[in-house]
Amino acid sequence: DAGVTQSPTHLIKTRGQQVTLRCSPKSGHDTVSWYQQALGQGPQFIFQYYEEEERQRGNFPDRFSGHQFPNYSSELNVNALLLGDSALYLCASSLLAAGVSGNTIYFGEGSWLTVV
Amino acid sequence: DQQVKQNSPSLSVQEGRISILNCDYTNSMFDYFLWYKKYPAEGPTFLISISSIKDKNEDGRFTVFLNKSAKHLSLHIVPSQPGDSAVYFCAILRGDTGNQFYFGTGTSLTVIP
Repeated sequence: DAGVTQSPTHLIKTRGQQVTLRCSPKSGHDTVSWYQQALGQGPQFIFQYYEEEERQRGNFPDRFSGHQFPNYSSELNVNALLLGDSALYLCASSLLAAGVSGNTIYFGEGSWLTVV
Repeated sequence: DQQVKQNSPSLSVQEGRISILNCDYTNSMFDYFLWYKKYPAEGPTFLISISSIKDKNEDGRFTVFLNKSAKHLSLHIVPSQPGDSAVYFCAILRGDTGNQFYFGTGTSLTVIP
């Protein structure tokens, strides 16, 4: 049973470009959340998707957008990249009906984005 | 506005001794508290949790203490082992805003053999 998988693992982009990061949730999970972890910081909540809709959003600009597909996988898109967008982007998956506990939310290994 | 703070960026402890990691929060609406452990090149993995109705939860070598009046959370690891060396994040959920985690900035624990 595959856990949460993210791709790509590392990528380098130029300022002003656009990037798409991908996440496949753990089998049986229907909810995907995205977090940004800058160097030396804790993960910051970007948004959460359920039933192909954005259910909740953190304090991130509209340059950050997402999508969830019918198979529950998700994409995070960032437009007009800034140097400050360089970070580890984490995906977390869960099953909404299972409620929230440490045992019901799983994180992927993350995608390292470097903006130069 | 950092609602969850871990004021010690790093901690070194001798193997076999106790490790104490601390976390402070500002919002009294928070009601579920977790600790995550993170190794380099891996995602955070769940360690232990506690709900706001309790003040202590123990799981093997790991114990989490919650002091709601002080808005303070701590993780005790005893005895500490070299394999415990990792970055530890406290994460807090606020039930009325769904399952959005608020993470601390992390404490890097090094257990010296």
